[in-house]
Amino acid sequence: DAKTTQPPSMDCAEGRAANLPCNHSTISGNEYVYWYRQIHSQGPQYIIHGLKNNETNEMASLIITEDRKSSTLILPHATLRDTAVYYCIVRALGEDMRFGAGTRLTVKP
Amino acid sequence: NAGVTQTPKFRVLKTGQSMTLLCAQDMNHEYMYWYRQDPGMGLRLIHYSVGEGTTAKGEVPDGYNVSRLKKQNFLLGLESAAPSQTSVYFCASTPGQLTTDTQYFGPGTRLTVL
Repeated sequence: DAKTTQPPSMDCAEGRAANLPCNHSTISGNEYVYWYRQIHSQGPQYIIHGLKNNETNEMASLIITEDRKSSTLILPHATLRDTAVYYCIVRALGEDMRFGAGTRLTVKP
Repeated sequence: NAGVTQTPKFRVLKTGQSMTLLCAQDMNHEYMYWYRQDPGMGLRLIHYSVGEGTTAKGEVPDGYNVSRLKKQNFLLGLESAAPSQTSVYFCASTPGQLTTDTQYFGPGTRLTVL
């Protein structure tokens, strides 16, 4: 059973913010939300993770709703190099990282 | 730091042949993982190791064996390759199985079984 639901694909204009949604309506209190991305069949790359507070780092921001049933990954100024498959993963202590199909983000000039 | 490296990058096998994929990490990580990725799909966990000398099955372990004789190396073996094992194989490592640990991935090995 998939713990997360993501749209299969999205487009974004270069220079604009990319907002990638993820639904995780059955998330447990001890589960974190992770985001990874995979650029052109390379190995996945860690982006950000959070538990219940919003998080920001040099790559992106993670907004988690108050009920924790959904989250949004924000790339503030998308570039062509951000074209990739983005994976939203829900994981608790001791669990493996399970990757779904993700969202294919295409940044267009 | 080379991070996580994988050998070889590409390989073509005939059905029934055997081979070993090597994953090496120089970050002194405790945990290591082998995933496979089929076209258009996410990664699926094959086997993993929580430390030198230990291994455990993941989501899709059948047809594969692994060994972790040294902390820095994690080997994935195919004893009798089948066309269904055509895939891209990724290795990953993490310092330990804490919730906040992130996984560091290698560049992948593209395997074709004819």
